[in-house]
Parts: sequence; structure tokens; C-alpha cells
Amino acid sequence: EAGVTQSPRYAVLQEGQAVSFWCDPISGHDTLYWYQQPRDQGPQLLVYFRDEAVIDNSQLPSDRFSAVRPKGTNSTLKIQSAKQGDTATYLCASSFETGTWPQYFGPGTRLLVL
Amino acid sequence: GQQVQQSPASLVLQEGENAELQCNFSSTATQLQWFYQSPGGSLVSLLSNPSGTKHTGRLTSTTVTKERRSSLHISSSQTTDSGTYLCAIDRGDTNAYKVIFGKGTHLHVLP
Repeated sequence: EAGVTQSPRYAVLQEGQAVSFWCDPISGHDTLYWYQQPRDQGPQLLVYFRDEAVIDNSQLPSDRFSAVRPKGTNSTLKIQSAKQGDTATYLCASSFETGTWPQYFGPGTRLLVL
Repeated sequence: GQQVQQSPASLVLQEGENAELQCNFSSTATQLQWFYQSPGGSLVSLLSNPSGTKHTGRLTSTTVTKERRSSLHISSSQTTDSGTYLCAIDRGDTNAYKVIFGKGTHLHVLP
């Protein structure tokens, strides 16, 4: 069974540029999560979906961040006008049902904003 | 303040020594999980242990829910155990998912 896949693995941007991260969860998992993990911190939930619906995006900086999961499978997280403070690893995870553990994590995308 | 606190922040061991990692949390937790994060960044679930004691391989986790603390014991450490160990709780709000991670314990096992 394939795990959670993410791309790209690394991204380097200048402030003000835009970037998109892509996630393919484990087949059959209805819930998909996006986390932000700054250096030397634990992951912090940004947004999660059940199927195609956003369940909670309260931690998503809505003015510059957006996330979609249009068909309830793959998902894209986008940052418009990146800031240096966005430098972090962005992790995608999925679970069979919302709130069930374990969650399965992808390898992450390391973002550096210069 | 930090809702999940892990200690120590870092730990250096000689191969073969045992490790004891602590996790204290300030919120009620209906779920508690220990994760391992490799130096490359991948996060792997080790144990789910909301209460009591659980074993898997060389790992033992003990959670005392009333005291809001959990420990992870690694016996006979190996160099491949090096990495970051993260504790996460789910506050279990009705119809919501509120997982909170600690900052982790960085473990370095020397040969």
C-alpha cells in the first residue's frame, strides 16, 4: 500500500512569491490534514478536510494561505506572497476517519523563504 | 502556555543505554500518541497510549491520565534510534479534531 506522498520535497522562494504544495493521501482515507512545522517545533494543524469539505481552517492564515481538496482525494496548499515567517516544513497526513489514529504522514515539503 | 511539554529537550546516550522521555499536558486528553521523526523529516507513529502501559518491541509507554503525564522508555538504545520523539494529544472535543504536539525530544545515540 502506497503511503502519503507530497511534492515538491523542497522549495526556496523570495519574499512575495507564491508556492503550491501537493499531497496525495492513502487511498480510502477520508480525512486529510495539513500541518506547519517550524524548525525545532512540533507540527501545528493548519486545516483539515473530510472528503472535499473543509472541517476546520481556523489556524490557516486566510489572507495568504488557501487549501483545497476538490474531489476528496488529492489536496493542494497554496501560499500567496510568502513571508520569511512561513519558513517551515509543511506536512500532509491522512487517516481512515476523522479523529482516528494513527494518522499517516507524508515526507513533508521543506520551505525556505529568503 | 505550551499545552504539551516534553522533557528533556535533548538527550545524548551511548548505544545500549536506556532512555526515558517525558510528556506533560495541561488539557484533558482522550488520545495520546508518540511519534518518531527521522532527521530527514518523516513522522512515524510509534504508540497510541491514552492510558495505562503499552509495549512494542523495545518501547514502553506509560500514561497516567489523571496526572496528565506520559513517558516513553526506550531500552537498549541503538544508533538508529537517533531522531526526534514527539508526543501529541487529542483533546477530544465533540465533532472536532484538536491535536496538539509537543516540541519533541531530540535523541542522539552514540556508537
